[in-house]
Amino acid sequence: DFVMTQTPLSSPVTLGQPASISCRSSQSLVHSDGNTYLSWLQQRPGQPPRLLIYKVSNRFSGVPDRFSGSGAGTDFTLKISRVEAEDVGVYYCMQTTHFPLTFGQGTKVDIK
Amino acid sequence: QVQLVESGGGVAQPGKSLRLSCAASGFIFSRHAMHWVRQAPGKGLEWVAVIWDDGSSKFYPDSVKGRFTISRDNSKNTLYLQINNLRADDTAMYYCGKDESAAGTSFVASWGQGTLVIVSS
Repeated sequence: DFVMTQTPLSSPVTLGQPASISCRSSQSLVHSDGNTYLSWLQQRPGQPPRLLIYKVSNRFSGVPDRFSGSGAGTDFTLKISRVEAEDVGVYYCMQTTHFPLTFGQGTKVDIK
Repeated sequence: QVQLVESGGGVAQPGKSLRLSCAASGFIFSRHAMHWVRQAPGKGLEWVAVIWDDGSSKFYPDSVKGRFTISRDNSKNTLYLQINNLRADDTAMYYCGKDESAAGTSFVASWGQGTLVIVSS
């Protein structure tokens, strides 16, 4: 299986400060069609997941521009430029390039 | 706007079966692959099934293969998940998700609110 490893697993952040989450895949996520199907999801407490970023760096409709994604191959990063109170939750990377589809373990972001 | 509403969860005994449903609206259901993803209490997300837009292909992880069956009725805009021989570790919130691809997987753009399955004697 394609193992997705996120670091850190917990990230206490001061309001207004940046946060960064890393996601590493055990194998390349480049699809045979040339795309890299790596997404970032946010799950606020008691809520379903919500898509933030798709195909590594594309911000989904309605997602604030303080969220950005980057990376290639096996190493990917989600950055929040200035954390706001509503950003508290768990963040997951998800690969949809290879079966079985897999998620990272999740990174909990909370306010210091 | 896109709406996905899951139903069919509840408390069931080990060894029994359950069928979950996901009613879709706000988009052309028959043009999108659809997923089921589950989340055990306090745990992370686990993908459990995908079906192509026309139902021609279905994929599962080994952990559920043989017990879970995904299906869809495009005339009713509804996705299903049949779970047989329920086990305690099937206890989870089950979410349906809409893929942006028709046949294949690209990204899951929309998620339902989930339906809770509890397996207990």
